Amino acid sequence: SQTIHQWPATLVQPVGSPLSLECTVEGTSNPNLYWYRQAAGRGLQLLFYSVGIGQISSEVPQNLSASRPQDRQFILSSKKLLLSDSGFYLCAWSPRLAGYYEQYFGPGTRLTVT
Amino acid sequence: AQSVTQLGSHVSVSEGALVLLRCNYSSSVPPYLFWYVQYPNQGLQLLLKYTTGATLVKGINGFEAEFKKSETSFHLTKPSAHMSDAAEYFCAVSGSGGSYIPTFGRGTSLIVHP
Repeated sequence: SQTIHQWPATLVQPVGSPLSLECTVEGTSNPNLYWYRQAAGRGLQLLFYSVGIGQISSEVPQNLSASRPQDRQFILSSKKLLLSDSGFYLCAWSPRLAGYYEQYFGPGTRLTVT
Repeated sequence: AQSVTQLGSHVSVSEGALVLLRCNYSSSVPPYLFWYVQYPNQGLQLLLKYTTGATLVKGINGFEAEFKKSETSFHLTKPSAHMSDAAEYFCAVSGSGGSYIPTFGRGTSLIVHP
C-alpha cells in the first residue's frame, strides 16, 4: 500500500531563517506531487505541483520554492522566512494515470515563524 | 474554469441528527467530485468520490453524497451524526479543461453537540 511521510511534524523558526520541509511517498511510482498551505481558519492554498523529477509549477508568487530531486521526494524551501509563512503545510500525491486525480495527503507540518 | 462553493463555514448539529453539508460546483465538462475530511492537526482524508456511473456515492464512516447535474450540486449527508464526526470537510472538483489539479472549497466545520 502507499504511504506519504512529512517531516518535521512541527517547526518553530525565527523570521529570516531558512526552511526545508520534506515529503516522501512510498509504494507508488511517478506520482503527481503537491504542496499546499493552510493558514489558520482558512482553506487550502496550492503552492506547487510536480508531474516529474525536476518539473515544478508554481501557483502563487512568494518567497518559497520547491524541488523534486527524486521521483518520490518533494521538498519545500525558503531562504528567508517571513511571518506570513506561518501555517500548516500539507504534501499530497495523486496517481499519474488515475484519470480523476484523487489526492492522498500527508500528516502535515505546523510551521510557526516568530 | 472550475470552482466550488461550500455553503456555510460552520454547521452545528446534535448527536444523532442528520448531517447535511452543501457543495455546489461550476465546471465546463462532466466533473470529478470529491469530499475530504480533516481532523485537527491532521492531513485530509478522502471520504468519497464521484467519477462516472451511479450518482449516489457511498463513502467511509457512513457518509454519502449525491451528484445532481441539474443542480450542479454534490451535497454530503449522514443520517445520524456522531461526536467523532466533528471535523473540517472539504469539497473538491477536478477535470474541467483537462486539469488534473483539483479546486477545493473553503471548507465547512462540522460541530456536533451531545
